[in-house]
This record gives sequence, C-alpha cells and structure tokens, in this order.
Amino acid sequence: AQSVTQPDIHITVSEGASLELRCNYSYGATPYLFWYVQSPGQGLQLLLKYFSGDTLVQGIKGFEAEFKRSQSSFNLRKPSVHWSDAAEYFCAVGTYSGGGADGLTFGKGTHLIIQP
Amino acid sequence: EAGVTQFPSHSVIEKGQTVTLRCDPISGHDNLYWYRRVMGKEIKFLLHFVKESKQDESGMPNNRFLAERTGGTYSTLKVQPAELEDSGVYFCASSQDLGPTRARQYFGPGTRLTVT
Repeated sequence: AQSVTQPDIHITVSEGASLELRCNYSYGATPYLFWYVQSPGQGLQLLLKYFSGDTLVQGIKGFEAEFKRSQSSFNLRKPSVHWSDAAEYFCAVGTYSGGGADGLTFGKGTHLIIQP
Repeated sequence: EAGVTQFPSHSVIEKGQTVTLRCDPISGHDNLYWYRRVMGKEIKFLLHFVKESKQDESGMPNNRFLAERTGGTYSTLKVQPAELEDSGVYFCASSQDLGPTRARQYFGPGTRLTVT
C-alpha cells in the first residue's frame, strides 16, 4: 500500500524568504506525485505534478518540486514567499488504471504561516 | 467552465439522522471521486466512479455510507444513520480520462459535516 508523509504540521516563514515543504512517499513503483494547496474556504488546487521525465517540475504561482527517487521524496520549493501563499499544502501520490486516475493517497498536510 | 460544485457547504445534524451530500462534477468528466478529511487526519479516499459504475469503493468506511451516480452525472453520498465520527469535510473531485500523463483531479470546495 502506498503512503505519504509530510513531517511538518506547521511551518512559519517570513515574507520574501525561501520555502521548502517536505514530502516522502512509499510506493513499490514510480508513482504519480502531486502537490495541492488549499486556501480557507476553497477547494484543493493543483500546484504541480510529476509523472516521469525531468525530475524538477515547475508549477503555478512560482512553485517547483524535485523528485528524488533515492530518497523517496518530492519536496516543494519556492524562492520567495508572498503573504498570499499562506495556506495548507498537501502532497499526494496516485496511480493510473485503464479507466482513469485512481484515488489519491494524501499526506496530513502542512500549514504554511507567513510572517510580515 | 464551471468547476466542481458541492452542496451543501455545511451541514449540522444530530447523531442518528440521515444526511445526503451532493457533488456536481465538471461537465464531461467521467471520473468522480469522493474523499473525506476527519479533523486532524489526512484526506482519505472513499470511492471512485467511472460514469455510473463504481470503479473502486475500497475506502468506504462501512455500510452506513451509500454513494450513487445515476446517469453518470452528479453524485450523492448518503450517510444513514450518522455517527459522531462521521464529522469532517467531504470533498468531491472529478477528472477526464486523458491518459496517465495528463491525469489530474479537480476538487470541489467540500462539504463540512458536523454530527452532534
């Protein structure tokens, strides 16, 4: 069975500082990896995903993530955070069957707090 | 294009009552997913429809939960009778089957269910 670990429940970063959110996964093969963000009152929005190929993935809002097979990690990064990045971030792993994408397995989420 | 919509946004019911949650996927999306997040826990997959058929219902917690998708359009998730531990946020997501490299799920804003 697959699993996802986000070791940091809360992270506080100053506005303008760099950010790295950690994600480790457990899966027998190369999975599909996703980062979603949820702002208050909103649904989950996809930031980026990895399926194969280049291990550094660019996403929306200036985010990127790097897939490291040897470490089973898919950490999310941003060089300079903005106050509007305050939200909850979820790492997820998925698989694909013939009929479409399967249900995702999520980590517990990381709350990002931005200090002025 | 309208996103995934869920109704109601919030429901408060007493233990033993019945509640029905509704999800309207993005038009043309054959895949529909239900997830649940209990407070303090990760978002957990409940089940996956492909059109009107249940592709995977391995995440359904017990037989008090009944999901339907008649006609392959909107879906309902009924909880009967509701228990205290059913409280949480229920998310719906939908996707098209565009192959594994383009697979992504679009999430609705969720329904917050409180059982008292």
